[in-house]
Amino acid sequence: GNSVTQMEGPVTLSEEAFLTINCTYTATGYPSLFWYVQYPGEGLQLLLKATKADDKGSNKGFEATYRKETTSFHLEKGSVQVSDSAVYFCALHPSGGSNYKLTFGKGTLLTVNP
Amino acid sequence: DAMVIQNPRYQVTQFGKPVTLSCSQTLNHNVMYWYQQKSSQAPKLLFHYYDKDFNNEADTPDNFQSRRPNTSFCFLDIRSPGLGDAAMYLCATRDPQGARFRQPQHFGDGTRLSIL
Repeated sequence: GNSVTQMEGPVTLSEEAFLTINCTYTATGYPSLFWYVQYPGEGLQLLLKATKADDKGSNKGFEATYRKETTSFHLEKGSVQVSDSAVYFCALHPSGGSNYKLTFGKGTLLTVNP
Repeated sequence: DAMVIQNPRYQVTQFGKPVTLSCSQTLNHNVMYWYQQKSSQAPKLLFHYYDKDFNNEADTPDNFQSRRPNTSFCFLDIRSPGLGDAAMYLCATRDPQGARFRQPQHFGDGTRLSIL
């Protein structure tokens, strides 16, 4: 079956530090890959996505590249802000069959201190 | 903006008293999902609709039911809430058709349910 493994948190950084949250996946074919962010008390927001190998998703200074050879989709940001404090979920949608179901990683809590 | 709207944002009910959570969407998406999320864990899929076709996850308790009267609205009914049902409930939509088949799910802001 499909699975997503992401770096366990919590992760605590100082403002302007570099962020990496690792994410690897197991799936057949070519799944679509997503990063969602959840701010305290809110629902999930799509942060970025990639739908094929070597695609780079980017948004709000965050980036992630779909690496088929390493089955990875690591999230990076060059300079984090206090406002980036949230829970980050890596997720995949399978490419075929009954592709209705999103498989999530367990989530990584990021806290950025001023 | 087109969006997924959940009402209410906060719901308090008594142990064993039926409660209904609602979700509406202006995206005109075929698929609607209900998730349960506890304590910043990953959301857990309860069930989903593809148009009017209902699909229950194998481990969703019988206490949880759903209705989708039309494309725009979907309801989650908890028939006899227990203390363990206190959680955030998230609704999401997706349009899997044609060239948009790799599109993401779009989530509402959730309803936080408390059980007294």
